[in-house]
Amino acid sequence: EIVMTQSPATLSVSPGERATLSCRASQSVSSNLGWYQQKPGQAPRLLIYGASTRATDIPARFSGSGSGTEFTLTISSLQSEDFAFYYCQHYSSWPRTFGQGTKVEIK
Amino acid sequence: EMQLVESGGGLVRPGGSLRLSCAASGFTFSSYSMNWVRQAPGKGLEWVAYITSSSSATYYADSVKGRLTISRDNAQNSLYLQMNSLRDEDTAVYYCARSTGPLDFWGQGTLVTVSS
Repeated sequence: EIVMTQSPATLSVSPGERATLSCRASQSVSSNLGWYQQKPGQAPRLLIYGASTRATDIPARFSGSGSGTEFTLTISSLQSEDFAFYYCQHYSSWPRTFGQGTKVEIK
Repeated sequence: EMQLVESGGGLVRPGGSLRLSCAASGFTFSSYSMNWVRQAPGKGLEWVAYITSSSSATYYADSVKGRLTISRDNAQNSLYLQMNSLRDEDTAVYYCARSTGPLDFWGQGTLVTVSS
C-alpha cells in the first residue's frame, strides 16, 4: 500500500497571502495524483488531477506541481472561500489512498 | 445537471447489515467507473471500494474486504454498497464518487452509525 503523507497538518494564512501544501508518496505514483478541497458539511471537490491540471471551473489561483513522490498544491492569493481542508490522493495502484489532510485556517 | 444521491444510511447494531444506494443522473452512468469513499466523524477521507463501468472488476480497501461488497445496475443508473458484519469503526459518512482516474464528481453522502 502506498502511504500518502501531507504537511503541515494545519496552515495558518492571512487572506491574500500564498499557501503552499505538500504531499509525499511512499513510492512513486508518477503523475497519478489528485488534490481535493472539502469545506465543513460538504462533499469533497476535485481541484487538481494529473498532479498539475486544474479541474473544471477551478480558479487559476490554484496550481499543482510535482511528480513521482513529491507534490505541491499552491494557492497564490487566499480568498475567504479557500479556508478549508485539502486532501491529496493517488490513483496509481490499489488501494487508492488519501493523505491525512491539511487544514488551511485564517491567521 | 449531474447528480449523485446517496441513500440507505442509518443506525445499525454491531454485526448488522445495511445496503447503501447511489442514484446517478445527468451523465452516462454506464460509461464510468465508480467508487465509495467514507469519512469517520472528525476524520479524513478513506477510499473504500471501486467498480468498473461493466462490473468486470472490483477493488476494496483491506479494512472492508470480505465484509463490504460494491455492485451496480447500469439499467437503473445505480451504485450499491452491501455492508455486512458491521463494526463500530465503520461509522462514517459514505460518499459515492465517479472515477475518471481521479474522483471527479461526488455525492453529498449518507451517514452510517454502528452502535449498540
